[in-house]
Amino acid sequence: NAGVTQTPKFQVLKTGQSMTLQCAQDMNHEYMSWYRQDPGMGLRLIHYSVGAGITDQGEVPNGYNVSRSTTEDFPLRLLSAAPSQTSVYFCASSYSTYGSYEQYFGPGTRLTVT
Amino acid sequence: GDSVTQMEGPVTLSEEAFLTINCTYTATGYPSLFWYVQYPGEGLQLLLKATKADDKGSNKGFEATYRKETTSFHLEKGSVQVSDSAVYFCALNMEYGNKLVFGAGTILRVKS
Repeated sequence: NAGVTQTPKFQVLKTGQSMTLQCAQDMNHEYMSWYRQDPGMGLRLIHYSVGAGITDQGEVPNGYNVSRSTTEDFPLRLLSAAPSQTSVYFCASSYSTYGSYEQYFGPGTRLTVT
Repeated sequence: GDSVTQMEGPVTLSEEAFLTINCTYTATGYPSLFWYVQYPGEGLQLLLKATKADDKGSNKGFEATYRKETTSFHLEKGSVQVSDSAVYFCALNMEYGNKLVFGAGTILRVKS
């Protein structure tokens, strides 16, 4: 199993550009989520999905869109990048929506918006 | 809302020293508690967890006990190694939702 994979590893965007961060998992997990990591702030939840076709907002959803058409994939879209979105983005997946199941994290995408 | 507070770093120790990283939480219900570790350039890995009061999680020589009376989940290790240098995150989630709430992270540097 590859686990949770993310592409690209690094990306530089200009203000106003759009892009999609890719996330895929091969563990048949129903729960997937996106976090951003900023210095001194830990990780904050952007969006999450409890199954194909179902998504919801987390703590910091503004400026980001998601969709979940398959169990495996959960892309994160930046519609019009802003410097405040410079961050490291992590995708995670988990077996279940409920309880204390471990969340598995991808290696991250480091995004810089100039 | 739910929140996690952990001690600020960086924490710098010599090899074989005793480690404590403090973590306290605020939650309206009965959360599960986690410690995640992030090695340089990598994603987060689960280090240990505890799902109810007085549970002790342990892994790789690290331990943490879920203390409901003090709302704490302090991470300890008796003898750290250089390879333990990493960022450590305390986190909680509630029974329903599986949405992790993270502390700010504590950088640990171990010198040989």
